[in-house]
Amino acid sequence: EVQLVESGGGLVQPGGSLRLSCAASGFTFSSYWMTWVRQSPGKGLEWVANINQDGSEKYYVDSVKGRFTISRDNAKNSLYLQMSSLRVEDTAVYYCARPQYSGGWYSLDCWGQGTLVTVSS
Amino acid sequence: DIQMTQSPSTLSASVGDRVTITCRASQSIIRWLAWYQQKPGKAPKLLIYKASSLEVGVPSRFSGSGSGTEFTLTISSLQPDDFATYYCQQYNSYSGTFGQGTKVEIK
Repeated sequence: EVQLVESGGGLVQPGGSLRLSCAASGFTFSSYWMTWVRQSPGKGLEWVANINQDGSEKYYVDSVKGRFTISRDNAKNSLYLQMSSLRVEDTAVYYCARPQYSGGWYSLDCWGQGTLVTVSS
Repeated sequence: DIQMTQSPSTLSASVGDRVTITCRASQSIIRWLAWYQQKPGKAPKLLIYKASSLEVGVPSRFSGSGSGTEFTLTISSLQPDDFATYYCQQYNSYSGTFGQGTKVEIK
């Protein structure tokens, strides 16, 4: 069974840092692009970042560029999101997701359950 | 960056109604568009990919159409389980932009 399990969310003060993890199982993790998507309370979905199979290509939404870093460890079947200089507006449920097909960037057919990040003083 | 605009933001409908949601892209995305359904407290679920292809296991009352910059999601006969929020997403570029969502409510 394909599964994605996020962890690492919690309460952090503005300006602080947090590292999210996503453990993947049930598929060949190293063959897939991976992505982070977030959803602020009561708001819509926002794409945050993408990473290709070997980590050589990374893309970010403008609002997190220079503050967030997406990375992966294919040996550990894990995806990460290092978040720094956190702002109140970064408060959201963060989902990791997998594209439908290996080898490229496609629609997202597998999602984790999400992990909540709350940025507040 | 490609912007995605969905309409309407909210839609009130009854069981059995035909429902149409529109998604417009700020530039051509060919047919690289997906539709998702999300229920409160749950992760999104893929319904339609490549504008009109039905994901495995999704009821045939859901259909998608369009190309270029204008796309639609149609539910042919709304069922009680379909009351949810629907999002479009472009994947023509690596930004993966979502529309702002359409909440389908019970009339």
